[in-house]
Amino acid sequence: GAGVSQSPSNKVTEKGKDVELRCDPISGHTALYWYRQSLGQGLEFLIYFQGNSAPDKSGLPSDRFSAERTGGSVSTLTIQRTQQEDSAVYLCASRKTSGAPYNEQFFGPGTRLTVL
Amino acid sequence: QKEVEQNSGPLSVPEGAIASLNCTYSDRGSQSFFWYRQYSGKSPELIMFIYSNGDKEDGRFTAQLNKASQYVSLLIRDSQPSDSATYLCAVASSGNTPLVFGKGTRLSVIA
Repeated sequence: GAGVSQSPSNKVTEKGKDVELRCDPISGHTALYWYRQSLGQGLEFLIYFQGNSAPDKSGLPSDRFSAERTGGSVSTLTIQRTQQEDSAVYLCASRKTSGAPYNEQFFGPGTRLTVL
Repeated sequence: QKEVEQNSGPLSVPEGAIASLNCTYSDRGSQSFFWYRQYSGKSPELIMFIYSNGDKEDGRFTAQLNKASQYVSLLIRDSQPSDSATYLCAVASSGNTPLVFGKGTRLSVIA
C-alpha cells in the first residue's frame, strides 16, 4: 500500500517568509508525528497528533511553529517568519495505535527546507 | 530529560564481518526499542524492534535488549557494503509517547 507522503520535497525560501509543509499519513494510521533533522544531527521531535488533537506539542521550538491535522488524516506544519536556523529536513511519521504495545512509526521522505 | 546515547562512529568493518552497534537510554520506564537505518539523504527505515529482554533475530540482524542495564544493541552478521548507513536507535515509553532518538552511528562496510 501507499506509504507516508510529504510535500514539497524541497523548499527554498527567504528569511522572514512563511512556509507550509504537508504530510499525508498511511491510511488508517491515527497517530502522526513531526520531527526535524538538522545536518549531521539526530531526529528532534516537534509535535504529535492523535486523530485531530495534539496532546504533545512540547517539541515545537518557538511560537513561530504551528501544526494542524484535519479529518484525522493530512497534517500541515506551518513556520512563520522563517529564520536561517529553521533550515533542516522536516520528517513526518505515522503509526497505527491498535495491537502491539507500541507500533512502529513509518517515515515519509521528508521536506528539505532551506532558508536563505 | 529522556536521552538515548550512541557512539557517532564511524564504525568501519570489513565485508563479511559482524558489525556491533550499541545504544544506552536514560528512561528506565522505556518499553519499546527500535533500530532505524538511514542512508544519506533518505528518511529513516525501520529494520528491527524489540520489546522484551533477550535477543531477537531477523535474517542477518539481531537486536539485543537488557533493560536492567538500559542497553540495546544491534548485530549485523555477514556485513555487506550495502549496509553502510547511519543506524538510529529509538526508544519509547508505553502508550503514545514520541520516540526519542539517538544521534546515530555511522557504519562503513569496507569491500
